[in-house]
Amino acid sequence: EIVLTQSPGTLSLSPGERATLSCRASQSASSSYLAWYQQKPGQAPRLLIYGASSRATGIPDRFSGSGSGTDFTLTISRLEPEDSAVYYCQQYGSSSWTFGQGTKVEIK
Amino acid sequence: QVTLRESGPALVKPTQTLTLTCTFSGFSLSTSGMCVSWIRQPPGKALEWLARIDWDDDKYYSRSLKTRLTISKDTSKNQVVLTMTNMDPVDTATYYCARMGATRYYFDYWGQGTLVTVSS
Repeated sequence: EIVLTQSPGTLSLSPGERATLSCRASQSASSSYLAWYQQKPGQAPRLLIYGASSRATGIPDRFSGSGSGTDFTLTISRLEPEDSAVYYCQQYGSSSWTFGQGTKVEIK
Repeated sequence: QVTLRESGPALVKPTQTLTLTCTFSGFSLSTSGMCVSWIRQPPGKALEWLARIDWDDDKYYSRSLKTRLTISKDTSKNQVVLTMTNMDPVDTATYYCARMGATRYYFDYWGQGTLVTVSS
């Protein structure tokens, strides 16, 4: 079963700064299988990125995804206060769907 | 407009069976390619996928929980039901249902979740 490791655990940045979140998979898979979600306190996760780099409907273009194989990145180009949340990567493999442990983004 | 809503008991006792219902609108599970999954999240912890059911009644389960889970659908009512047997305090979590995207590799719409506490 695939294990996803996200880093860092917490990212504390100021508005306008760039956030780079990492997701490393224990085995290589198609980039089509990788997605990113944003979860704010008390809310359900929201799909941000699918297929490693495609933005979901209504997602601002300051969010972008990249990567392939075992290493994937979510970038928030210019942080806004409402981007404060936990971000999860998720991958499909062998009829199973696995989530990382999350990266918390704090806005100073 | 796609919406999903979970319902079920907020509190169950250890060893009991949990039954959760996902009622959805804006799509049909009789449409080819459509799928719905259940995902849970213990308080302060990460997300865990549990089960998936397809438009053609194919079913998939988490390997670690397979023996305790059953997923089913009632297409006429636009509902998906998850049962989990032999509940334990470690199963305390918010349980979400989610529609799966066109490729079935990700979850594009989520319900708001329902918190289930397992305690005697």
